[in-house]
Amino acid sequence: KAGVTQTPRYLIKTRGQQVTLSCSPISGHRSVSWYQQTPGQGLQFLFEYFSETQRNKGNFPGRFSGRQFSNSRSEMNVSTLELGDSALYLCASSSGSGGTWDTQYFGPGTRLTVL
Amino acid sequence: AQKITQTQPGMFVQEKEAVTLDCTYDTSDQSYGLFWYKQPSSGEMIFLIYQGSYDEQNATEGRYSLNFQKARKSANLVISASQLGDSAMYFCAMREYGDSSYKLIFGSGTRLLVRP
Repeated sequence: KAGVTQTPRYLIKTRGQQVTLSCSPISGHRSVSWYQQTPGQGLQFLFEYFSETQRNKGNFPGRFSGRQFSNSRSEMNVSTLELGDSALYLCASSSGSGGTWDTQYFGPGTRLTVL
Repeated sequence: AQKITQTQPGMFVQEKEAVTLDCTYDTSDQSYGLFWYKQPSSGEMIFLIYQGSYDEQNATEGRYSLNFQKARKSANLVISASQLGDSAMYFCAMREYGDSSYKLIFGSGTRLLVRP
């Protein structure tokens, strides 16, 4: 089975711009979660989608949004970029069955640099 | 309060020796899962091992085992016969089932360096 794929792998943007990141989950997985990783804050949960619906949301401003398509692929969007948005954005997929054993498998990440 | 605490920012281990990475957690949920991930310099998070709060046996996956002590709220990762390729960041994470959230709460990580 192919793993989780994320595109693009690297992005450079300037302050005030917006960006869209894409994630394709493992085949058959219906849940997609997004995380932000920075040296200062570590790994933080952004949101989780299941069957095109946002089920959970982390503590991030409304500039961060996402969506999921019928094929379970997901996108996240960050509008009005700030310098502090520079981070590694990781996407993870899981079956979405709900049990605590439902492991999240991560993609390679998108490294976003905001200048 | 920190929900996941990894007190070792960095560790060294000699190749072929065993190493223990510490993780303590804090939750009031009865049902939760504990996970360990490895993150090489490439950035991808690689799943290593899972332990459920109701599992009576310690989890094992090849050279990885989890020393789960529920009363102490600790879930230490043991890597046996270390290899050079084990050099990476290691993260302990928890998922609390109480609110049915898929959110993984991560510790700050431990950087492991395997010496030849």
